[in-house]
Amino acid sequence: GESVGLHLPTLSVQEGDNSIINCAYSNSASDYFIWYKQESGKGPQFIIDIRSNMDKRQGQRVTVLLNKTVKHLSLQIAATQPGDSAVYFCAENNGSGGYQKVTFGTGTKLQVIP
Amino acid sequence: NAGVTQTPKFQVLKTGQSMTLQCAQDMNHEYMSWYRQDPGMGLRLIHYSVGAGITDQGEVPNGYNVSRSTTEDFPLRLLSAAPSQTSVYFCASSAPPGRGAYEQYFGPGTRLTVT
Repeated sequence: GESVGLHLPTLSVQEGDNSIINCAYSNSASDYFIWYKQESGKGPQFIIDIRSNMDKRQGQRVTVLLNKTVKHLSLQIAATQPGDSAVYFCAENNGSGGYQKVTFGTGTKLQVIP
Repeated sequence: NAGVTQTPKFQVLKTGQSMTLQCAQDMNHEYMSWYRQDPGMGLRLIHYSVGAGITDQGEVPNGYNVSRSTTEDFPLRLLSAAPSQTSVYFCASSAPPGRGAYEQYFGPGTRLTVT
């Protein structure tokens, strides 16, 4: 079946450096891709999304890149801070049938080294 | 705004017991969903609702029932708990497409253990 997965389960980054979290997807029919951040003991928190007809979108300190040719999604975090330590999930949205069914990947743990 | 609230935060059940996980949102969102999260895994969709009186199955619906009598509340019922249902359960809500549907708001979760 279709799936969303991540290349790296754990990423350690020095404070102040940039972080790049990668994600591979397989459902070419997905119309949106979303990144969530989940801190320990909390529910996921929306970070940023990107439509399938875009290749780049920027937010506050974050940039999402979408490469449909190789079905690859990445989240870039600029000037990584200790508060960025969390598990990051990519997710894809299949909008068929009117309801937005979101399929989550397994997550990447980001560790920020002070 | 309290956002999405879930009760209880923790629950231990014996195999065969039933219980209801409560979820409420005060953002007037039409869409609500239940997910389960197992260790080292992402979230899997159990059931969802696109409005009061309308529910449908997600990826892993077996063993769970839902109802949506009001916009605010979306309870999840475990009919006969099994150890395989040990997990963390998250409720989420969002606005319909075109109004930020992809920005789902999640509750803090209910950690359920079935012995």
